[in-house]
Amino acid sequence: SQQGEEDPQALSIQEGENATMNCSYKTSINNLQWYRQNSGRGLVHLILIRSNEREKHSGRLRVTLDTSKKSSSLLITASRAADTASYFCATDPRGSQGNLIFGKGTKLSVKP
Amino acid sequence: SAVISQKPSRDICQRGTSLTIQCQVDSQVTMMFWYRQQPGQSLTLIATANQGSEATYESGFVIDKFPISRPNLTFSTLTVSNMSPEDSSIYLCSVVGLLITEAFFGQGTRLTVV
Repeated sequence: SQQGEEDPQALSIQEGENATMNCSYKTSINNLQWYRQNSGRGLVHLILIRSNEREKHSGRLRVTLDTSKKSSSLLITASRAADTASYFCATDPRGSQGNLIFGKGTKLSVKP
Repeated sequence: SAVISQKPSRDICQRGTSLTIQCQVDSQVTMMFWYRQQPGQSLTLIATANQGSEATYESGFVIDKFPISRPNLTFSTLTVSNMSPEDSSIYLCSVVGLLITEAFFGQGTRLTVV
């Protein structure tokens, strides 16, 4: 069953603006991962944050994790038209063997 | 990271037929998984492909409909049997390495059943 819930479901911004997507989950996790999917193609791994980490950066990406609230956020700074895609959070529940539970995703549109 | 080759990338099939999707990884991995993504939806785990033994299916998915093989550590197949239009989806293979951290995905197989 799906555990992650992302909001917003869709986000439209102008190039150069920041985009923030949120994810909530229900059970204890080993880690939380964010993925990008372009036009129904394969998923590209963006960043992984472990349950004992609170914040992580990778280039223009910033991810936070609040295990007390069971939530995470993905911030894309200085967005570009090429960032247009669907973004999914996925949790690796404690006790799993790497199988992920995906949220419903946020469809991001960055207008040039 | 792992490089995953998934074939076919897309297919249009007649209802009642079966399609076998292949997933080949360029390195030995511990875990391989199959996911389904219905149109406009998120990913749902179908099953864990176990090497040399029967796959472990998630609730709502059965072996008769989605038989899975994993003869070695780098290869797996998923068959979608007796297809109906409701099976039209993207099917994705995923692998996790020895450290069981991030998962890597194939490019997916876009299946349309007519």
